[in-house]
Amino acid sequence: EVQLVESGGGLVQPGGSLRLSCAASGFTFSGYWMHWVRQSPGKGLVWVSRINNDGGSTYYADSVKGRFTISRDNAKDTLYLQMNSLRAEDTAVYYCARDRRYCSGPNCYYYFDYWGQGTLVTVSS
Amino acid sequence: EILLPQSPGTLSLSPGERATLSCRATQSVSSSYLAWYQHKPGQAPRLLIYGASSRATGIPDRFSGSGSGTDFTLTISRLEPEDFAVYYCQQYDSSPLFGGGTKVEIK
Repeated sequence: EVQLVESGGGLVQPGGSLRLSCAASGFTFSGYWMHWVRQSPGKGLVWVSRINNDGGSTYYADSVKGRFTISRDNAKDTLYLQMNSLRAEDTAVYYCARDRRYCSGPNCYYYFDYWGQGTLVTVSS
Repeated sequence: EILLPQSPGTLSLSPGERATLSCRATQSVSSSYLAWYQHKPGQAPRLLIYGASSRATGIPDRFSGSGSGTDFTLTISRLEPEDFAVYYCQQYDSSPLFGGGTKVEIK
């Protein structure tokens, strides 16, 4: 059974740092791209960042570029999100999600097939 | 920049009724890259539909997706009590993007 379990959330002051983890199990972690998605209180889902399967390629939403760093340790089956220079607007539940992409004939499909239950990050003084 | 406005923002219906949710992109989106998710408070989001119309593994056939170009629809043929939730469309071309969501609430 595929499982994604986030941890590391908590209360942090503006300007502070936090590192989130996402422990994966039930699948070959090194074979999949992974993402972080967040949901601020009362708002919808917002994509944050993605990393390819070997960690050599990363991509970020403009809102976090230069402040957040996504990484992974395939030996530990774990995804990370290092968050620096945190702002009040970064307050959210952060979810990790598995990227699924496959091609069938002429069509290629991209979507997120498994998600974790999230970890809450609160940025406040 | 593509936007994915969803409508309505809230849908108030009774169990057994049909729900029709709309996702209307501001630019054409490949159907292959359009997905729908269900999200309940305190739970992990759940993939329902990918490729605009293909049901994910284990998703009941009362859920169906359709559409192409800029107009996409998620239909729940007969609402069950467990279907009351927020639903998001997503396009995943170069950069993933979610719609604002439609809340399906009990009338």
